[in-house]
Amino acid sequence: SQTIHQWPATLVQPVGSPLSLECTVEGTSNPNLYWYRQAAGRGLQLLFYSVGIGQISSEVPQNLSASRPQDRQFILSSKKLLLSDSGFYLCAWSPTGLGRETQYFGPGTRLLVL
Amino acid sequence: QQQVKQSPQSLIVQKGGISIINCAYENTAFDYFPWYQQFPGKGPALLIAIRPDVSEKKEGRFTISFNKSAKQFSLHIMDSQPGDSATYFCAASMVWGNQFYFGTGTSLTVIP
Repeated sequence: SQTIHQWPATLVQPVGSPLSLECTVEGTSNPNLYWYRQAAGRGLQLLFYSVGIGQISSEVPQNLSASRPQDRQFILSSKKLLLSDSGFYLCAWSPTGLGRETQYFGPGTRLLVL
Repeated sequence: QQQVKQSPQSLIVQKGGISIINCAYENTAFDYFPWYQQFPGKGPALLIAIRPDVSEKKEGRFTISFNKSAKQFSLHIMDSQPGDSATYFCAASMVWGNQFYFGTGTSLTVIP
């Protein structure tokens, strides 16, 4: 079966510090990968998605970036965090081919920027 | 532009009652409509989904009603329980696409 991991689970960072959040998927190959941000009590904002290694599409211009160095690894980064970057970050995957219409979410990373 | 519109934003229901959450979409190319359930501090989990070739799908206490001509679909939770208290998201996607469009979420509280 497939599983998706995110770490860290929680993170408290000062304004201006760098960020690196990691997401890995097990049990599948060549998944589509997604990063979402969810502000407190709000909906899901798509940040980036990737259909393959090195292929990143950005949905919202901001100080965040994403990379996919390996097939099942997706990284969200920032060089300098802003207060507004606080939120709940969710990684998700979907199969390519059969079943690609469904997304599966990771447990999330709670980020607090102070 | 919000591709999927969801209402209400919040909902309070008595235990044993019926919870109803509504969604509407614009793009007729959408052909898959899932609902996700999210508990606080957790990632959303797929709850139930429907394709536009059927008007209703039922799984236990959860039912999706789908109206293709009106471009609307809804989630009905029968005999609502306190354990159903969560945020519910509707979504739409295309079977052969890469993108997913989520509603803004409904916070459901079931009062004992």
